[in-house]
Amino acid sequence: DTEVTQTPKHLVMGMTNKKSLKCEQHMGHRAMYWYKQKAKKPPELMFVYSYEKLSINESVPSRFSPECPNSSLLNLHLHALQPEDSALYLCASSQVTTSRRDEKLFFGSGTQLSVL
Amino acid sequence: AQSVAQPEDQVNVAEGNPLTVKCTYSVSGNPYLFWYVQYPNRGLQFLLKYITGDNLVKGSYGFEAEFNKSQTSFHLKKPSALVSDSALYFCAVRGPPGSARQLTFGSGTQLTVLP
Repeated sequence: DTEVTQTPKHLVMGMTNKKSLKCEQHMGHRAMYWYKQKAKKPPELMFVYSYEKLSINESVPSRFSPECPNSSLLNLHLHALQPEDSALYLCASSQVTTSRRDEKLFFGSGTQLSVL
Repeated sequence: AQSVAQPEDQVNVAEGNPLTVKCTYSVSGNPYLFWYVQYPNRGLQFLLKYITGDNLVKGSYGFEAEFNKSQTSFHLKKPSALVSDSALYFCAVRGPPGSARQLTFGSGTQLTVLP
C-alpha cells in the first residue's frame, strides 16, 4: 500500500464552523506533513510531525490545530477560518532517513476547502 | 537561504516531440534536488531525485533530469512527450545539513502536450 488517503475530498464550511481533515497512511512512514496549496501555486508547508511529535510549525495561525494520534493518522482541526483560508490542503508522509535530506514525500490527493 | 527558479510558467510541446522543463537552484553546499508532478485534482507525485553520483538521473514515466553544477541547473527531460504528460511540474531543493531541512519548491511549470 503506497497511498496516502485524505478525507473528505471536498469541504465547505462557514467561518464559525469547526471541522477536521483526516489523513491516513500504512507505509510505516514516521514523518507526516500538512501543506496548503493555492491554485497553480507551489505547496506551502504548515506542519511536520516526526515520530508523532510536532517538529515544525511554520507560524501557522492558531485556527489551524494539528494532531497526530498515532503513527498512521494525522488530523487537522479547523476553527473560525477566514475566506482566505480556502485552498487545497495536502497531507504527505515520508520515511525518516538518517540525513533527512533524501526523503521523498508521498502526497494524498488533498481536501479542497472552501470557507464562506 | 536555498531557492529554486522555474523560469517558464507554461511550456507547450507537440506529442512525440522531446520536452524540457527548466529549473535552476541556489543553495550553499551540495544540493539535494527533486522533481514532482501534479495532475489535475491530485496531490504531488515524486518523479526523481538527485543526491550524488551520475549527473543524469532517470525517474518515473520515462522522465530524466540532468544535474549541471556549473550552471546550477536541474532540467527535466523526456525524449518523446505524451498527451498524458500534461500536468503541473515542480522542482524542489533541500539544502545542506543545518539549513532549513524542508523542501523549497519552485513556482511550478504547466506543461501542455498538444495532440
